Amino acid sequence: NAGVTQTPKFQVLKTGQSMTLQCAQDMNHEYMSWYRQDPGMGLRLIHYSVGAGITDQGEVPNGYNVSRSTTEDFPLRLLSAAPSQTSVYFCASSNTWEVNTEAFFGQGTRLTVV
Amino acid sequence: GQQVMQIPQYQHVQEGEDFTTYCNSSTTLSNIQWYKQRPGGHPVFLIQLVKSGEVKKQKRLTFQFGEAKKNSSLHITATQTTDVGTYFCAGEVAGANSKLTFGKGITLSVRP
Repeated sequence: NAGVTQTPKFQVLKTGQSMTLQCAQDMNHEYMSWYRQDPGMGLRLIHYSVGAGITDQGEVPNGYNVSRSTTEDFPLRLLSAAPSQTSVYFCASSNTWEVNTEAFFGQGTRLTVV
Repeated sequence: GQQVMQIPQYQHVQEGEDFTTYCNSSTTLSNIQWYKQRPGGHPVFLIQLVKSGEVKKQKRLTFQFGEAKKNSSLHITATQTTDVGTYFCAGEVAGANSKLTFGKGITLSVRP
């Protein structure tokens, strides 16, 4: 049982490049989300999904796209990377059918945009 | 929108001292969760509180949910160097389908 797997762990991009951060979970969780973490800003929600085919914007969605074609995968796409997107990105998943809605986080992706 | 506040963002204690931090929400919550993130790591779930006035203990950590379900506290008795890290609270509003709003966290350092 791998939990939540994020790839890559580290990435350096040039301004204007695009890339996809991968996130996969094997716990059959309906809810998946992407956060970015910046010093002094805590965890800010980028996009989230409550099930396959359903996505919605979080607090800081601009510059990012998501899709949810399967329950397991929730990739985050940077359309045209900017230095302001330098951050640590975390993917998380949780269930929605139990009282305990504990979020399981991936290991994170450290992204630098130069 | 919903806000979850944790103040201050940093606290330094001497090993062996007690430590308490608070979390306040602008709206009534269905539950509140606490996470710990070690330096360089990812957030790890500690506990979830659901009932008004609920108190839960994990060894030296005591968590409390306020009567109005808008605030929570984390108390650590006799801090140890292993308690170092950032503690986040996260609130869920009823009907939000597991969507959590995180506070900015408090980073605890412990002097040996």
